[in-house]
Amino acid sequence: NAGVTQTPKFQVLKTGQSMTLQCAQDMNHEYMSWYRQDPGMGLRLIHYSVGAGITDQGEVPNGYNVSRSTTEDFPLRLLSAAPSQTSVYFCASSYSVTPGGGNTIYFGEGSWLTVV
Amino acid sequence: AQSVAQPEDQVNVAEGNPLTVKCTYSVSGNPYLFWYVQYPNRGLQFLLKYITGDNLVKGSYGFEAEFNKSQTSFHLKKPSALVSDSALYFCAVRDRSSGSARQLTFGSGTQLTVLP
Repeated sequence: NAGVTQTPKFQVLKTGQSMTLQCAQDMNHEYMSWYRQDPGMGLRLIHYSVGAGITDQGEVPNGYNVSRSTTEDFPLRLLSAAPSQTSVYFCASSYSVTPGGGNTIYFGEGSWLTVV
Repeated sequence: AQSVAQPEDQVNVAEGNPLTVKCTYSVSGNPYLFWYVQYPNRGLQFLLKYITGDNLVKGSYGFEAEFNKSQTSFHLKKPSALVSDSALYFCAVRDRSSGSARQLTFGSGTQLTVLP
């Protein structure tokens, strides 16, 4: 029962480098999203998807790209890493956002990213 | 706009004593409310949620929360704290009457420490 799987767990990048955080879920969830967690700020939504081929911006999308070519996968791309992107990143999924707005969101274990 | 506040960054309680982690919310309509727990270097784990019905919601690990519409609160409680309950707790809200892809908004988190 894998749930939401994120890779890598830890990554150090140099400023200006690009990379992709991988996220996969095996629960046939329609909705997937990426959050970043910073001290004292809770979780902030970066991008989300309500189904394959559909993505949209969240609260803090700048510097990140996403795509959703399959139901299972939702990679997050950092285009040109900056020290401000040092954070913990969480992928999450749920069955749908509507009409079941009360659906539980399930989180991956996190990816710790440091940009130097 | 929806928002959630966790007024205490840190809560300390002695093992065996009751614990309360506070959460207040703001939505334009009616809320869906969630509590998540995060252990060190781990992802967020779902504890419980309020959708509709009984204002007292029971969740995992002996936790419960009471929805109070007049006070716009959803405090997390446990009758007898365990050292293993020490973790970071997040409250989250989604406006039930908002648009098709309204996201969860998280509080900034409360660090609970249970002292032996």
